[in-house]
Amino acid sequence: GAVVSQHPSWVICKSGTSVKIECRSLDFQATTMFWYRQFPKQSLMLMATSNEGSKATYEQGVEKDKFLINHASLTLSTLTVTSAHPEDSSFYICSSTGTVDDYTFGSGTRLTVV
Amino acid sequence: AQTVTQSQPEMSVQEAETVTLSCTYDTSESNYYLFWYKQPPSRQMILVIRQEAYKQQNATENRFSVNFQKAAKSFSLKISDSQLGDTAMYFCAFMKPSTYSGGGADGLTFGKGTHLIIQP
Repeated sequence: GAVVSQHPSWVICKSGTSVKIECRSLDFQATTMFWYRQFPKQSLMLMATSNEGSKATYEQGVEKDKFLINHASLTLSTLTVTSAHPEDSSFYICSSTGTVDDYTFGSGTRLTVV
Repeated sequence: AQTVTQSQPEMSVQEAETVTLSCTYDTSESNYYLFWYKQPPSRQMILVIRQEAYKQQNATENRFSVNFQKAAKSFSLKISDSQLGDTAMYFCAFMKPSTYSGGGADGLTFGKGTHLIIQP
């Protein structure tokens, strides 16, 4: 089946630095990529939707200047957390779909900002 | 906007028992998709089952089945012959119909989840 590879699986960074998370579709073309955020023991919240070759659409309340999304190719989407702060510490998950059969999640990235 | 409600934060049953997880949702759409996802301790999201709202027949996948009541906006998951490996967080999720119009896709709206524990 469809596979989305997400890296890194975990990262620790210092406050004020930027962190990039990558999601690659390995065996299909990911026209659309979704980015979710999950706080400990909570649900997944959709942050943004990116379509290849166009600007991402952010959900209400998500700072687009802090969470930069790039979807330059059909196989790669990146999320960059800029000027990270401890409150940005969370679990970030990407997901891609072309059809319902291709709705696949990455393995997630645990971000800790110290 | 859609909302998904899971009213059982945690459930615990003995191995081999049957357990039902509840989910209700609110939408003004007439056509949509509903999903149950499993998230084990690894945190990898795993699709358990999906239901298309225009289909009256309840979806079934081996030991997993749903009871979809469209008028009541209810979508419960039944796990039969529960196994230790079923221990996980279970999320109910809703997808808007535009996703399957061929013109694009929408993200999922998730419930808060139910932590299911299967006791040996």
